[in-house]
Amino acid sequence: TQLLEQSPQFLSIQEGENLTVYCNSSSVFSSLQWYRQEPGEGPVLLVTVVTGGEVKKLKRLTFQFGDARKDSSLHITAAQPGDTGLYLCAGGDQGGKLIFGQGTELSVKP
Amino acid sequence: DTGVSQDPRHKITKRGQNVTFRCDPISEHNRLYWYRQTLGQGPEFLTYFQNEAQLEKSRLLSDRFSAERPKGSFSTLEIQRTEQGDSAMYLCASSSARDNAEAFFGQGTRLTVV
Repeated sequence: TQLLEQSPQFLSIQEGENLTVYCNSSSVFSSLQWYRQEPGEGPVLLVTVVTGGEVKKLKRLTFQFGDARKDSSLHITAAQPGDTGLYLCAGGDQGGKLIFGQGTELSVKP
Repeated sequence: DTGVSQDPRHKITKRGQNVTFRCDPISEHNRLYWYRQTLGQGPEFLTYFQNEAQLEKSRLLSDRFSAERPKGSFSTLEIQRTEQGDSAMYLCASSSARDNAEAFFGQGTRLTVV
């Protein structure tokens, strides 16, 4: 069974701080996707990484896919209250099915 | 096309009743997925279709659950004889069929069984 372990589960920081969320697995995935979800809404896609070692930047967010395509990280620089939400990593197989981590609940206080 | 659409957004039902949810995917996407999410957890895969063919079903999908995509466009998910444990957010996503295609989610249907 493929599993994705996401850490930390909860993170509460002050505006302006940096943070990193980790997503680890013993399985190899074809792709890894990061989503952000707000209460009562569906997940919104942030980025997809497919190549081992790949790094993608989205404004203050930096995503990295591990060389072996088993793990990933999300780094946020100078967090803002608008970054508050549930961050989900999801590993994809060839059929497109996603295996999700349990999520990281981020709270950024002004 | 404004994205994946799910209906209804919220459903409250009594235990033992049947419920049906609808998902309209992004029009050019031929893959459609159903997931279930409970509070504090990430979404869990239930089933997926490529066009009208249901290609995979999770063991989470008990025999009270059935999903259809009759014409390869919209899909329905029916839960028969609902139980309190069925209370969750039911999410639909769609993607193209190319390798590593990105999946886009609808806003979900929040089911509460009382």
